[in-house]
Amino acid sequence: IVLTQSPGTLSLSPGERATLSCRASQFITSRYLAWYQQKPGQAPRLLIYGASNRATGIADRFSGSGSGTDFTLTISRLEPEDFAVYYCHQYGSSPITFGQGTRLEIK
Amino acid sequence: EVLLVQSGAEVIKSGESLRISCKGSGYSFTSYWISWVRQMPGKGLEWMGKIEPSDSYTSYSPSFQGHVTISADKSISTAYLQWSSLKASDTAMYYCARLPKDGRADFWGRGTLVSVSS
Repeated sequence: IVLTQSPGTLSLSPGERATLSCRASQFITSRYLAWYQQKPGQAPRLLIYGASNRATGIADRFSGSGSGTDFTLTISRLEPEDFAVYYCHQYGSSPITFGQGTRLEIK
Repeated sequence: EVLLVQSGAEVIKSGESLRISCKGSGYSFTSYWISWVRQMPGKGLEWMGKIEPSDSYTSYSPSFQGHVTISADKSISTAYLQWSSLKASDTAMYYCARLPKDGRADFWGRGTLVSVSS
């Protein structure tokens, strides 16, 4: 399953709302879609799993939604620490795949 | 506290073999899969494969099948990723991650940087 993320780069200011998209080439069962955040020099961190469940310790400004082939990660009000690269990930069909990433940068 | 501690950075010559490790602690090592993920310089994440430490059952991405071997020693809570003959194109950061039964990667190691010189 190919995951296509858009946009490739998103330029926003702190306090704004961010909407990141992940489109799958085939149907994905929602329970097997996750989002990760990666900052420079760090390992990825799980944000959302099962399309809409926040991982432990993740702020409630992060939310996930979607079903079928279209999924969205929303960050309601951007904090300075949210500027990073975000990846979607499907783990329900083999081989497991990641999207190519969306870079969220400060405008 | 759940920790995945990966072995240190490696600088190695093309054609040589290598094994890197990922030691789990703070949880039942045999109750979770361990996955390996490659990140080439400046690029995205690529899933390589996974292992179930309880019985060493493995599953590989077709892109990596035959190029790497994933193994585990449950007696010391450690998973491994190994190559028999490295190429310059294997230069990358390699992450291990813990997978609960549903398959999400909930904890990650800090990564092992492998640099292969030709």
